[in-house]
Amino acid sequence: EPEVTQTPSHQVTQMGQEVILRCVPISNHLYFYWYRQILGQKVEFLVSFYNNEISEKSEIFDDQFSVERPDGSNFTLKIRSTKLEDSAMYFCASSEDVLGVLLGYTFGSGTRLTVV
Amino acid sequence: AQTVTQSQPEMSVQEAETVTLSCTYDTSENNYYLFWYKQPPSRQMILVIRQEAYKQQNATENRFSVNFQKAAKSFSLKISDSQLGDTAMYFCAFMTPPVGAQKLVFGQGTRLTINP
Repeated sequence: EPEVTQTPSHQVTQMGQEVILRCVPISNHLYFYWYRQILGQKVEFLVSFYNNEISEKSEIFDDQFSVERPDGSNFTLKIRSTKLEDSAMYFCASSEDVLGVLLGYTFGSGTRLTVV
Repeated sequence: AQTVTQSQPEMSVQEAETVTLSCTYDTSENNYYLFWYKQPPSRQMILVIRQEAYKQQNATENRFSVNFQKAAKSFSLKISDSQLGDTAMYFCAFMTPPVGAQKLVFGQGTRLTINP
């Protein structure tokens, strides 16, 4: 079964450093998402991406965050200057089309980001 | 804005028993989609079951079924013949019909433990 792949599984970074979280969505999928889960809390929407542009972003997704799809296969989330409160599990997800969204999209296994 | 509430932070049952997880939501929309996701210790988000609000019939997937009460805005998950592998966090989630990419709104989660 096709998977959404995220790397690395765990990343530790110093406060103020830039991090890039990488995702390889399922190859024929068109819609891409990033979600965040602070330890012990609920999963929160960050951003959705379609047709090479952001479709929607949450209040969490401020100027410190950016996304891009640099080469047609990878989908990245960049945090420019990490803060302690950015420590969380970050999930990438993708869906094939509008119908795929309604079926519930496919999540990756997540990247645990620890900011020290 | 839509909200999703899971009032049971933790539940615990014996193997083979039936357990019901509660979820309520708030929306002014008439058409929408509801999901239950499972997050085992591996942390990956796995779709368990989905329900379209326009369908009166409750969704069923093997041992998993839902009780969807649209007027009450309630969407509970029933797990029959529970197994040790059902131990996980369970998240209820809501989505309005998509216009392009669409986000999921999650509840706080219920930690379910199946005891041998």
